[in-house]
Amino acid sequence: KNQVEQSPQSLIILEGKNCTLQCNYTVSPFSNLRWYKQDTGRGPVSLTIMTFSENTKSNGRYTATLDADTKQSSLHITASQLSDSASYICVVNDMRFGAGTRLTVKP
Amino acid sequence: NAGVTQTPKFQVLKTGQSMTLQCAQDMNHEYMSWYRQDPGMGLRLIHYSVGAGITDQGEVPNGYNVSRSTTEDFPLRLLSAAPSQTSVYFCASSRGVLLSTDTQYFGPGTRLTVL
Repeated sequence: KNQVEQSPQSLIILEGKNCTLQCNYTVSPFSNLRWYKQDTGRGPVSLTIMTFSENTKSNGRYTATLDADTKQSSLHITASQLSDSASYICVVNDMRFGAGTRLTVKP
Repeated sequence: NAGVTQTPKFQVLKTGQSMTLQCAQDMNHEYMSWYRQDPGMGLRLIHYSVGAGITDQGEVPNGYNVSRSTTEDFPLRLLSAAPSQTSVYFCASSRGVLLSTDTQYFGPGTRLTVL
């Protein structure tokens, strides 16, 4: 069983809407959690990184939250744009990758 | 800065052939790593290096060799390709080593097919 589970596997939303992606992990001990955006056919691009002491981090329209007690993280995207269509990957401790959530933003 | 570059972009091999996937970065990063990405699965760490002359195994090292003779380059060698090694391979680098808060930069990937 993967130690980093992401949900949903895929998501379709309309342009301008908000959405939230989930990441649950069982990795222990915990050091850091990263969120990446991966466009089709390209390498992942870093969005945020959080350590144990941080519970929220923003990068423009992207806001990540972390609850280290429940081992959950979320990535909230505000006012989605067509360019947000991509896979979003959660990574714990730089070595444990989730399978990603495929987001499609439609006009 | 070119960032992290990988060559080739695409490669088809026959079972048993050998090849080297090239990775280079021009950001003077100490940490470099190789991952493979398979459909429906997260990226998996193959090998990593915390500096020139130092390499270590990741989660799935079998069938792959690496070396780090310079800070800039981190090639990945497949000694005898197998169909199970069909995948997309990504190289990455960062200033800090594992578990740092430094941004990790990924290359564009190499799509490898082993027949």
